[in-house]
Amino acid sequence: EVRLLESGGGLVQPGGPLKLSCAASGFTFNNYAMSWVRQAPGKGLEWVSGIGTSAGTSVYADSVRGRFTISRDNSKNTLYLEMDGLRPEDTAIYYCAKKNFGVNPFDSWGQGTLVTVSS
Amino acid sequence: EIVMTQSPATLSVSPGERATLSCRASQSVSNNLAWYQQKLGQAPRLLIYGASTRATGIPARFSGSGSGTEFTLTISSLQSEDFAVYYCQQYNNWPPGTFGQGTKLEIK
Repeated sequence: EVRLLESGGGLVQPGGPLKLSCAASGFTFNNYAMSWVRQAPGKGLEWVSGIGTSAGTSVYADSVRGRFTISRDNSKNTLYLEMDGLRPEDTAIYYCAKKNFGVNPFDSWGQGTLVTVSS
Repeated sequence: EIVMTQSPATLSVSPGERATLSCRASQSVSNNLAWYQQKLGQAPRLLIYGASTRATGIPARFSGSGSGTEFTLTISSLQSEDFAVYYCQQYNNWPPGTFGQGTKLEIK
């Protein structure tokens, strides 16, 4: 069974850093591209960042480029999102999601971790 | 960036009836269109990909159609567990894989 378990969310002050993790199991982690998708309270889904099967290819939404860094450790089956310069508008549930390499949708999602940016 | 527009924002349907949800892309996405279901307090779940292929374990009452810029998700006979929010997503132009704003399917 595929499992994606996010952690690391919490309350952070504006401008501060936070690092999210997503522990994967039930599939061959290094065969899949991974992404972070967020959902602000009461709002829709917004793709944030994605990374290829190795750590060599990463892409970002315009709203987070330069502030967020996605990475993965295939030896630990774990995806990360390092967030810096956090803003109140970054407040959201952050989901990790997996997809097959290439033109494919997100076929599995974690349960999410809540990030709240507030003073 | 491709903009995905879903309609209606809210759809009220009685159990046992048919529901039809629409999704429009601002430019062609071929058939690279997915539908997700999100229940309150839960993560999204993939329902349909390739515009019309049901994901593993998805009941046959869910069907998708369309290509290019116009897509439809049909639920043939609504069950109580189907009342949720539904999102479409294009993954033809990546990144980003843009989502629609969602359609809330509620009990009439």
